[in-house]
Amino acid sequence: AQKVTQAQTEISVVEKEDVTLDCVYETRDTTYYLFWYKQPPSGELVFLIRRNSFDEQNEISGRYSWNFQKSTSSFNFTITASQVVDSAVYFCALSEKGSSNTGKLIFGQGTTLQVKP
Amino acid sequence: GAVVSQHPSWVICKSGTSVKIECRSLDFQATTMFWYRQFPKQSLMLMATSNEGSKATYEQGVEKDKFLINHASLTLSTLTVTSAHPEDSSFYICSAGGGISYEQYFGPGTRLTVT
Repeated sequence: AQKVTQAQTEISVVEKEDVTLDCVYETRDTTYYLFWYKQPPSGELVFLIRRNSFDEQNEISGRYSWNFQKSTSSFNFTITASQVVDSAVYFCALSEKGSSNTGKLIFGQGTTLQVKP
Repeated sequence: GAVVSQHPSWVICKSGTSVKIECRSLDFQATTMFWYRQFPKQSLMLMATSNEGSKATYEQGVEKDKFLINHASLTLSTLTVTSAHPEDSSFYICSAGGGISYEQYFGPGTRLTVT
């Protein structure tokens, strides 16, 4: 069965520190997508990245970077030089190929990141 | 990116009444819409998947007679919580997907409080 595990429930760092959020997934499909979302206190989900199962290249977007390793079924997210505005709940999610070609999302438990000034 | 709206953004209702939440895709046609529920400090749990013009597919443990989903058009899906009870108080989020990119576009959510 498909599953997403975010073992870190809460992380607290001081501004300008780097922080890595872990995500481990389980799936039997060979075709799947992995996502990261940010949920600030307002509640609205903010899309950060989507990565398909055939693309293992790491990605960098500003202070954000993602490390996808199929060998360990991990899709970790690193924030460099964290800022107070990065404080939020971060969700990793998995989408498998569905009959409609838009698969349902399985979310991890979420990691609450607190960045202190 | 694609925009999905939800209405209302928050609602308070009395126990035993029904509440309808609308989810609209504003600038694209959504063949599939998803409804999630999120309790405080918990993750999002998928409640059901709806495809335009057909019956919704509910996840295990979700009462289909209590959470009525209608997806009558490519831009609108509704979730009706019937005979709401305090334990139904939660944050309800919809998402819409319309292509082969596996992308889902999330609405801003509706906070339901049942008193």
